[in-house]
Amino acid sequence: GAGVSQTPSNKVTEKGKYVELRCDPISGHTALYWYRQSLGQGPEFLIYFQGTGAADDSGLPNDRFFAVRPEGSVSTLKIQRTERGDSAVYLCASSPGDLSGELFFGEGSRLTVL
Amino acid sequence: GESVGLHLPTLSVQEGDNSIINCAYSNSASDYFIWYKQESGKGPQFIIDIRSNMDKRQGQRVTVLLNKTVKHLSLQIAATQPGDSAVYFCAERTSGSRLTFGEGTQLTVNP
Repeated sequence: GAGVSQTPSNKVTEKGKYVELRCDPISGHTALYWYRQSLGQGPEFLIYFQGTGAADDSGLPNDRFFAVRPEGSVSTLKIQRTERGDSAVYLCASSPGDLSGELFFGEGSRLTVL
Repeated sequence: GESVGLHLPTLSVQEGDNSIINCAYSNSASDYFIWYKQESGKGPQFIIDIRSNMDKRQGQRVTVLLNKTVKHLSLQIAATQPGDSAVYFCAERTSGSRLTFGEGTQLTVNP
């Protein structure tokens, strides 16, 4: 497809488990972003990649959260020892990386921690 | 027990009317602003953007106004249609490439 693809669309897990969320950006986009959106709120920045490197990870809430983008395309957001407060929709976005501004968002991965 | 959550500001309009959605941004150094539309269960979708060296920009049925003096952004939608019903977010680029989103406004268009 032509858009940003995120899998899984829904994930239900138990407290304490490990979770991985995947993002396939638009082909050719060098910039990739992860946001988290709780019910009734705007997306909250987590981390931004330019190519393979994390250019800004200041939004990651704690060291249970980690993200990688080893080949500069697909990215994986990893959450260790999940907590109920991690329940949210995790949104991925990509952009051409030319600072033109617009981010193209995927449909999100809804994470529910029981 | 009762769930606690934030209540989005809401705007209800009649089909065919014009809508104005307002947003206050936080950082006077922000150089770029963008409006997104988000339908239930979907990711945010780009509507229109504006750079800080402009005060108005028009698109198809939409206009964004920027008032840097009071750090205020507005989105005007002409001839609002039922398909415009969604949550609308403003976002500002504060540092580097990251966008910071506002709280959102729920727009409901009544037929």
